[in-house]
Amino acid sequence: LAKTTQPISMDSYEGQEVNITCSHNNIATNDYITWYQQFPSQGPRFIIQGYKTKVTNEVASLFIPADRKSSTLSLPRVSLSDTAVYYCLVGPGPKAAGNKLTFGGGTRVLVKP
Amino acid sequence: EAGVTQFPSHSVIEKGQTVTLRCDPISGHDNLYWYRRVMGKEIKFLLHFVKESKQDESGMPNNRFLAERTGGTYSTLKVQPAELEDSGVYFCASSHTTPGTANYGYTFGSGTRLTVV
Repeated sequence: LAKTTQPISMDSYEGQEVNITCSHNNIATNDYITWYQQFPSQGPRFIIQGYKTKVTNEVASLFIPADRKSSTLSLPRVSLSDTAVYYCLVGPGPKAAGNKLTFGGGTRVLVKP
Repeated sequence: EAGVTQFPSHSVIEKGQTVTLRCDPISGHDNLYWYRRVMGKEIKFLLHFVKESKQDESGMPNNRFLAERTGGTYSTLKVQPAELEDSGVYFCASSHTTPGTANYGYTFGSGTRLTVV
């Protein structure tokens, strides 16, 4: 599975936009990019998934350039409750049900008042 | 719908003792996974059940770890005998098997924090 590299930590303030970029230079043709969020004392929670271009949902946007060697998770107007660790994962996509996940170190986002 | 439930939430045991962790997946989810994060390390895959069958147990660290899923419902992960390096957070997750179900069918429990002293 492709290895991912992302910042160890990021600080932000309430109301700002937070962008976390993940590098995955060895991403395979069939791989999708998935982001998870993890709060203290909880398990990871799915945020968003994409293959190319841009994906948006009620929580975040995911930007993927044409070469797919990186991706950027964008959290609009963060609040204190968005303080969490964010993980970027690459791996088999929706048609490969039952696949295991490979986590990297994640990015610890701290939102300050 | 109820989420993935793990029990206990915390466990402190002495080295050499036995501990059994339990995971109740979301009803109807055929896939059940165990992951763990030891202190300072990344979350690592342990094993994957499809119903009651072990699909992939490549992440199990050694034969002190035994996972079962009798009847294809809840699962247990037994550590016997526990060692200091087994301390960490053990996560369980479940997902659908139906082809076409996206990765976001994965739902994690809150984990069991195991401390071996």
